[in-house]
Amino acid sequence: QVQLVQSGAEVKKPGSSVKVSCKASGGTFSSYAISWVRQAPGQGLEWMGRIIPILGIANYAQKFQGRVTITADKSTSTAYMELSSLRSEDTAVYYCASWKSRWFDPWGQGTLVTVSS
Amino acid sequence: QSVLTQPPSVSAAPGQKVTISCSGSSSNIGNNYVSWYQQLPGTAPKLLIYDNNKRPSGIPDRFSGSKSGTSATLGITGLQTGDEADYYCGTWDSSLSVNWVFGGGTKLTVL
Repeated sequence: QVQLVQSGAEVKKPGSSVKVSCKASGGTFSSYAISWVRQAPGQGLEWMGRIIPILGIANYAQKFQGRVTITADKSTSTAYMELSSLRSEDTAVYYCASWKSRWFDPWGQGTLVTVSS
Repeated sequence: QSVLTQPPSVSAAPGQKVTISCSGSSSNIGNNYVSWYQQLPGTAPKLLIYDNNKRPSGIPDRFSGSKSGTSATLGITGLQTGDEADYYCGTWDSSLSVNWVFGGGTKLTVL
């Protein structure tokens, strides 16, 4: 069973970028997709996009088009989510999750990104 | 405003049964499989139900899922205090703006 371990919490200034990593262990990294989901404080889950590492193809929710980039490094079994032009509303916990085309399982532990001047 | 509509909260006593609804449209629930996630306080979401009504290994049969038309339902029987959590439904959406959508979440309180 694959396990996903994410990088640590980040504090960023408005207008800057953040890059969060998600390292997979167990299973075959390239054989499944990785999605990113965020959760603002006290709010629900919001899907941001996904990548299929074996193809290197990423798809993004329209809301984040142009601001988010999801990549994957097959050599290290690590996926990345970079969000640019950060604003206070981007303060959230960011989760990676293994996408099984119709569900997400398992999930990473989450990474808190705080955007504050 | 979530594309999928869930009640903000539900509550029931220990040992009782509760259902959580998830309402959508033909572009999402009506033509796609639904999954459900449990999020205990301060933790990451965890898969509870996939493909409308299937339980992953390790999920007790107290949890069940169903779908009819453009709505889905999560059922939990024999409620335990450890079931207190937020529950989210999710599914693929074929509209242009998003690919995957979640419900707004339902907070379950076990009185």
